[in-house]
Amino acid sequence: DAGITQSPRYKITETGRQVTLMCHQTWSHSYMFWYRQDLGHGLRLIYYSAAADITDKGEVPDGYVVSRSKTENFPLTLESATRSQTSVYFCASSESLGQYNQPQHFGDGTRLSIL
Amino acid sequence: LAKTTQPISMDSYEGQEVNITCSHNNIATNDYITWYQQFPSQGPRFIIQGYKTKVTNEVASLFIPADRKSSTLSLPRVSLSDTAVYYCLVGEGTGGFKTIFGAGTRLFVKA
Repeated sequence: DAGITQSPRYKITETGRQVTLMCHQTWSHSYMFWYRQDLGHGLRLIYYSAAADITDKGEVPDGYVVSRSKTENFPLTLESATRSQTSVYFCASSESLGQYNQPQHFGDGTRLSIL
Repeated sequence: LAKTTQPISMDSYEGQEVNITCSHNNIATNDYITWYQQFPSQGPRFIIQGYKTKVTNEVASLFIPADRKSSTLSLPRVSLSDTAVYYCLVGEGTGGFKTIFGAGTRLFVKA
């Protein structure tokens, strides 16, 4: 089915471990985004990508790494997970004209718990 | 960055019209105003977007005054299923993508 899918939906891991969250979209949208959502903070942008092999930092990038070797995939990696990274992570995509007049389409999120 | 200010929460009853106002005093010339809706355990969903005056779709209306320093999302005749968090976003303009979602407005619709 067309759309944007995130995996896994739920993940529990321990501090210090590496964990990768996957995001896949079938629209061939140029722009993709990663957000985290914590209580009282709304959504905060971690990283975004304007096209394959083009990524840039958002508001809260520390502790995260992204890559975009293919247009449809935008994985987010926590290289050494910390408890402060416990959150719900959302991936989004939008069309090539940019996010200001093209709405973002969101996945259903990954709930990550770091013990 | 064009930050936004919204009420933290609002209550309403089924069948009423709900208006949620968002302030964005530093909006830039190229910025659009976009509203999203989020239900628990789901990602935000686009509702409506506008640049100036009034925009209407099958879900909501968006009113933007001439100075564009605020906007009002209007939901006609809400139902229980409209209970959600509503986010107002203002784009930074071309060349930047540091979206600020803010905490949004939690709307609770009662029977």
